[in-house]
Amino acid sequence: QQPVQSPQAVILREGEDAVINCSSSKALYSVHWYRQKHGEAPVFLMILLKGGEQKGHDKISASFNEKKQQSSLYLTASQLSYSGTYFCGTAAFYSGNTPLVFGKGTRLSVIA
Amino acid sequence: DAGITQSPRYKITETGRQVTLMCHQTWSHSYMFWYRQDLGHGLRLIYYSAAADITDKGEVPDGYVVSRSKTENFPLTLESATRSQTSVYFCASSESKGVDTQYFGPGTRLTVL
Repeated sequence: QQPVQSPQAVILREGEDAVINCSSSKALYSVHWYRQKHGEAPVFLMILLKGGEQKGHDKISASFNEKKQQSSLYLTASQLSYSGTYFCGTAAFYSGNTPLVFGKGTRLSVIA
Repeated sequence: DAGITQSPRYKITETGRQVTLMCHQTWSHSYMFWYRQDLGHGLRLIYYSAAADITDKGEVPDGYVVSRSKTENFPLTLESATRSQTSVYFCASSESKGVDTQYFGPGTRLTVL
């Protein structure tokens, strides 16, 4: 089942912060985050495995709450280069891992 | 060149024609995937493969055929293209199904008239 991302779209000014959420109704083993710029392929940002760990990548970090089957992507002090569509991909946890199921994406626009 | 490549990058075809989209990766990743991307739907899995000669259906397999005779290649065939198959198609590869990074190819934009 497809994870639900929120918000669907967000507009930020440079320097502002944003949070993108990803929720699933299934027990998750991993959550992946990708960013896709217009006309390009999705690019990997980070993976979170069950265990509630938080990861960081420059000014972009993410958390995984396995009890709630939710992940959040945090973008701090946004830059123009952060613009794009962010996708979460989730893998359910039962007898081995399963293929990723991607959410519909969150379109992030950073303006000067 | 190392990485994952797709060809053609753009394709226009007519309803009813057979079309094959090619995907090639140089990392020797076990898993390869085909996704289609449509506005409002995100990325949807069509088929995936765990190894040569091992393939499995994804979420939207109808109308598509795949094969994998070699680890590095994973072609996707539309046997009789329909307008609803107009989309952007991405191939990806990974070491596993769900716990390793998936690396995406540049995509093929397919238009079915």
